[in-house]
Amino acid sequence: ETGVTQTPRHLVMGMTNKKSLKCEQHLGHNAMYWYKQSAKKPLELMFVYSLEERVENNSVPSRFSPECPNSSHLFLHLHTLQPEDSALYLCASSQGRQGNQPQHFGDGTRLSIL
Amino acid sequence: AQKITQTQPGMFVQEKEAVTLDCTYDTSDQSYGLFWYKQPSSGEMIFLIYQGSYDEQNATEGRYSLNFQKARKSANLVISASQLGDSAMYFCAMREVNTGGFKTIFGAGTRLFVKA
Repeated sequence: ETGVTQTPRHLVMGMTNKKSLKCEQHLGHNAMYWYKQSAKKPLELMFVYSLEERVENNSVPSRFSPECPNSSHLFLHLHTLQPEDSALYLCASSQGRQGNQPQHFGDGTRLSIL
Repeated sequence: AQKITQTQPGMFVQEKEAVTLDCTYDTSDQSYGLFWYKQPSSGEMIFLIYQGSYDEQNATEGRYSLNFQKARKSANLVISASQLGDSAMYFCAMREVNTGGFKTIFGAGTRLFVKA
């Protein structure tokens, strides 16, 4: 496999459920990202991990909990979500913070909260 | 203030014609990178082209070229010979090397419709 792989592609859950989104990158990158994309809003950066350490946390509610066990895997643990959390969640990776390095994105997980 | 502005929510272009998608940016960092991404309806974000703030030549990648006007802080994407498969959302983005950390700032996007 190559690139950035996200699972599941679609997820429907109730507000009291607990679920996890998974992201795996096969590009040898050392930085990984979670973004939220809601309708008619720009991409919102949620978390950044560099070398398995969290380096960015953009005031994301605690019901979202990221985990980065190694440089190839990134998880987003979800619990007690709200309807406004329904969105497309995109994972990305890049080679460090070099300004000329693009981020490579996965296909996203489309999350619907009932 | 918005750092990336894409003023065209939607654009139509006839197949085989060229189209320009506008992007203006705002930064005080002297070193930055500008990117364009394509997002088809399936959801994945596809990197298209990159322009560095110190690059003197406009970037080109196949049918994509970036019209970089540094003094005007604009980085417009030009797609030549449009194809039906070019119908998608297009996002302009910026990374500020000295002040931005790991952040990439995205614009609101432009939806491009290619007509047969």
